[in-house]
Amino acid sequence: GNSVTQMEGPVTLSEEAFLTINCTYTATGYPSLFWYVQYPGEGLQLLLKATKADDKGSNKGFEATYRKETTSFHLEKGSVQVSDSAVYFCALLTYGQNFVFGPGTRLSVLP
Amino acid sequence: KAGVTQTPRYLIKTRGQQVTLSCSPISGHRSVSWYQQTPGQGLQFLFEYFSETQRNKGNFPGRFSGRQFSNSRSEMNVSTLELGDSALYLCASSWAADGTNTFGSGTRLTVV
Repeated sequence: GNSVTQMEGPVTLSEEAFLTINCTYTATGYPSLFWYVQYPGEGLQLLLKATKADDKGSNKGFEATYRKETTSFHLEKGSVQVSDSAVYFCALLTYGQNFVFGPGTRLSVLP
Repeated sequence: KAGVTQTPRYLIKTRGQQVTLSCSPISGHRSVSWYQQTPGQGLQFLFEYFSETQRNKGNFPGRFSGRQFSNSRSEMNVSTLELGDSALYLCASSWAADGTNTFGSGTRLTVV
């Protein structure tokens, strides 16, 4: 079945550091890929998405590129802020199948 | 516009009881999906409804059920509660069932 693997962390960075959270997937068919973020005490929010190979999703300074050849969708941000501290989930959806989330990566950004 | 509303926010139930959780989607959204979030299992898909029809179901026992009404509001029911059902239950809605979900804040269920 479909699955998502991501670094579980926690990841601790200083403010203005570069962020990479790795995500790889296994899927049948042609999945859409997502990054969701969960701030403390809240539900998930869609951060970005990509629906086909080589698409780049971007939002709030975060970017991720759909790499079919490496089955990856790594999340990056050039300069993190304290307010980016949250749990980040990589996820995929294939038509007719269930939404699958990775285990989540907790990010802590220190001032 | 109003977001996804889940009620109640917190719930404490005893083993063996049943519980019903409610979700009001964003106006105009026809797809509602439910997820269970626990520290051990992470986020797991429960089921998805689109225009009152269940389209997908996750790998959960039959004690977990749901439904969607004509106004797109949805409920999920868990019967014969077990301690392991303690979790944060998240509801999400979308217009096109394409994964671009808006999530509610969740209902935290504690089974004692």
